[in-house]
Amino acid sequence: KQEVTQIPAALSVPEGENLVLNCSFTDSAIYNLQWFRQDPGKGLTSLLLIQSSQREQTSGRLNASLDKSSGRSTLYIAASQPGDSATYLCAGPSNTGKLIFGQGTTLQVKP
Amino acid sequence: NAGVMQNPRHLVRRRGQEARLRCSPMKGHSHVYWYRQLPEEGLKFMVYLQKENIIDESGMPKERFSAEFPKEGPSILRIQQVVRGDSAAYFCASSASGTRESDTQYFGPGTRLTVL
Repeated sequence: KQEVTQIPAALSVPEGENLVLNCSFTDSAIYNLQWFRQDPGKGLTSLLLIQSSQREQTSGRLNASLDKSSGRSTLYIAASQPGDSATYLCAGPSNTGKLIFGQGTTLQVKP
Repeated sequence: NAGVMQNPRHLVRRRGQEARLRCSPMKGHSHVYWYRQLPEEGLKFMVYLQKENIIDESGMPKERFSAEFPKEGPSILRIQQVVRGDSAAYFCASSASGTRESDTQYFGPGTRLTVL
């Protein structure tokens, strides 16, 4: 049974810092992993999807890595901005395709 | 290409009433997933449907909840005789296929249900 854990639960940093969000999963047989962003009271925006055959994906200031053998994924945010403040969720699929979500990391970037 | 559409965005019901939540997947997507986010909790899977079929309903409460995805029209999540504990944000996601490694699930804006 897939379980997904995210640490830290909350993070507050000054603007401009580089930061890393961590995600761990129990079922190394996952075939991809997705990172999402959720703003308060809003829906989910897909940020990056890493396929099991890939080790990382990049989009702008975001870089996500996947290490299936250790059951870990990280989301790296470079040069953080106040607009990056949101909750970041990682999710791994079960064998039927449903996503199993972590509890999220709530990020606050202070100007 | 319009994204995943959900309506209504906000729904208020009194205890004992019925709630119907609608989801139109992205064009070309035949796989629909429903998730629920209770206040101060994470997102939890409820049900996975393809056209006219329920593939996985392991996250659905045993009573009062049902879902369908007819051949024509949107997917519907139906909650009968709502209780205060049903108050939550309900999100729909769609994908082009179920389990390919390149498959991304795209989420709608959610329906926020409040039960008075």
